[in-house]
Amino acid sequence: QSVLTQPPSVSGAPGQRVTISCTGSSSNIGAGYDVHWYQQLPGTAPKLLIYGNSNRPSGVPDRFSGSKSGTSASLAISGLQAEDEADYYCQSYDSSLGVFGTGTKVTVL
Amino acid sequence: EVQLVQSGAEVKKPGESLKISCKGSGYNFNSYWIGWVRQMPGKGLEWMGIIYPGDSDTRYSPSFQGQVTISADKSISIAYLQWSSLKASDTAMYYCARLAGGNSLGWFDPWGQGTLVTVSS
Repeated sequence: QSVLTQPPSVSGAPGQRVTISCTGSSSNIGAGYDVHWYQQLPGTAPKLLIYGNSNRPSGVPDRFSGSKSGTSASLAISGLQAEDEADYYCQSYDSSLGVFGTGTKVTVL
Repeated sequence: EVQLVQSGAEVKKPGESLKISCKGSGYNFNSYWIGWVRQMPGKGLEWMGIIYPGDSDTRYSPSFQGQVTISADKSISIAYLQWSSLKASDTAMYYCARLAGGNSLGWFDPWGQGTLVTVSS
């Protein structure tokens, strides 16, 4: 059972903005550990989307943005596109061991 | 180009042993932690553990401690994940990934392509 909770699903029409929450506690996100986000397209390996709470790797569109506050973090996708339909996972640390979020399926209507 | 290439799919019977591999290239393999991640069919990602090939320092998630063994051969830039006695519940896709960020608290990038392990009688 993951210690980082995400909504099972979010959806939006093309062009809309959606946000995915990642809720932790004082032993993980609230302890100061950074949060990272991954995108997993159907049938493929996960890919890094955001690192260090809000940093985008080279090649990731600026439609994706991340933030962290207190014991939670969020991933926002603005200008939603059909190709964004995927599973998204947050990841952080708890007592110096890695933990993933429960995962969120994004559906483009 | 930094790349991780994993060994091919495996079909095993319960009770059998297995060792899958992950070969790194395009960077100094000794200087980055490598991690393993499990994804059971239709489920989410699970952090299993990490190893630092330079000195074989290894850390396991409590859920996987004693269930699997993570090792590395730095002379050939390969990390391994092994089981001594497989169970049907070990059926999953297993990913290796390099830990970026300069320490053991970083982010996974890049990822291997995954190794599908099927355990069935």
